Amino acid sequence: DSGVTQTPKHLITATGQRVTLRCSPRSGDLSVYWYQQSLDQGLQFLIQYYNGEERAKGNILERFSAQQFPDLHSELNLSSLELGDSALYFCASSVSGLAARGDTQYFGPGTRLTVL
Amino acid sequence: QQPVQSPQAVILREGEDAVINCSSSKALYSVHWYRQKHGEAPVFLMILLKGGEQKGHEKISASFNEKKQQSSLYLTASQLSYSGTYFCGTEWAGGTSYGKLTFGQGTILTVHP
Repeated sequence: DSGVTQTPKHLITATGQRVTLRCSPRSGDLSVYWYQQSLDQGLQFLIQYYNGEERAKGNILERFSAQQFPDLHSELNLSSLELGDSALYFCASSVSGLAARGDTQYFGPGTRLTVL
Repeated sequence: QQPVQSPQAVILREGEDAVINCSSSKALYSVHWYRQKHGEAPVFLMILLKGGEQKGHEKISASFNEKKQQSSLYLTASQLSYSGTYFCGTEWAGGTSYGKLTFGQGTILTVHP
């Protein structure tokens, strides 16, 4: 158990819908990272937040957005869902100072999203 | 750019050794190694930092060749529990990456009794 929690574990929804994935980082960790894992794209970085602020962006679609709240939990919002959005979505956290370089990232159990 | 891992898959008997490689075309600050079992979260194994520092698992060793931008993960005396997919995640040395990791495509390791 990494100490990172994610809810829900599974999510099944229809195309065009909107969903929210939630992540609570390990106690004391200030940075939260979101990753998407699909069979064809592998494990891809989406976005990072540090202490409530967006720090780095990866291959995140405009239909996706995220935020980190004052209590440091984070939410990833996916809208206008398409079949291709079906994937495992992982959240990771790290202690991280401002630079966050070389920090260990601990992954949560993931949310499996299925879009029908 | 995604780092390249080799081999794509390895099959071992318990007790055998394996080496998994990760190569990048970009200058790296760090290489992170993870193991993932099917449907589960990636589990942290080790970080290798530019300059030689290492942090991680006691029973797994790894190297980082800064000149070649290549890292190798050494699995010795393999156990059944070593089975899974191994990923390297690389952190670019340039600019402000803020910990963003770019992952390789994975190496599937299967250990048989």
